[in-house]
Amino acid sequence: DIQMTQSPSSLSASIGDTVTMTCRASEVLNSYLNWYQQKPGMAPKLLIYGTSRLQSGVPSRFSGAASGTVFTLTIANLQPEDFATYYCQQSYSTPRTFGQGTKVEVK
Amino acid sequence: QITLEESGPPLVRPTQTLTLTCTFSGFSISDEGMGVAWIRQAPGKAPEWLALIYWDDDKRFSPSLRSRLTITKDTANNQVVLTLTDMDPVDTATYYCAHRLFWRGYHKWGDAFDVWGQGTMVIVSS
Repeated sequence: DIQMTQSPSSLSASIGDTVTMTCRASEVLNSYLNWYQQKPGMAPKLLIYGTSRLQSGVPSRFSGAASGTVFTLTIANLQPEDFATYYCQQSYSTPRTFGQGTKVEVK
Repeated sequence: QITLEESGPPLVRPTQTLTLTCTFSGFSISDEGMGVAWIRQAPGKAPEWLALIYWDDDKRFSPSLRSRLTITKDTANNQVVLTLTDMDPVDTATYYCAHRLFWRGYHKWGDAFDVWGQGTMVIVSS
């Protein structure tokens, strides 16, 4: 199985900040990496697929990038509704695997 | 508009078999490229992908659960059914079904899960 390691596990930020989180894959994914946002009691919501493709309806302050096996999710101008947990997930191979999550909290 | 809804028992006894139904609308699972996945999430944990069924009835399973999982589709009734045998308290989780979004990547088809059901909580306890 491809292992996905997210860092940090949590971060504290303020409204208007730019935050970046990382997801490292144990193997090459060739851009097949997705990001989800999850709020308590809710199902995960797809934000970005294929490393950098913004899902329809997702604000443009969310962006994704990659360098080798390291993927990043950046949220610019953090908004109140962005405080949540973020998961990466690879779709390069079966089983599809998720990272353990990065929780974005209010500073 | 795509929607999915999970249904099943909230409580299952250890060693019993769990049967969950995903009823969906807004797409046909028989259309090329379509698929429905099951994903579960134990309390306070990350999501765990379980299985995926494709439009052509191809199926993929989590290797760690492969011997206990079955996934089938009922195209006429827009349903996908997951069964998980020999339930254990560690299987306590919220179970989600999700629609497969797919696209042509450079090397092969890629996918993600763009629409999820609200989830159904399953507790395994005697």
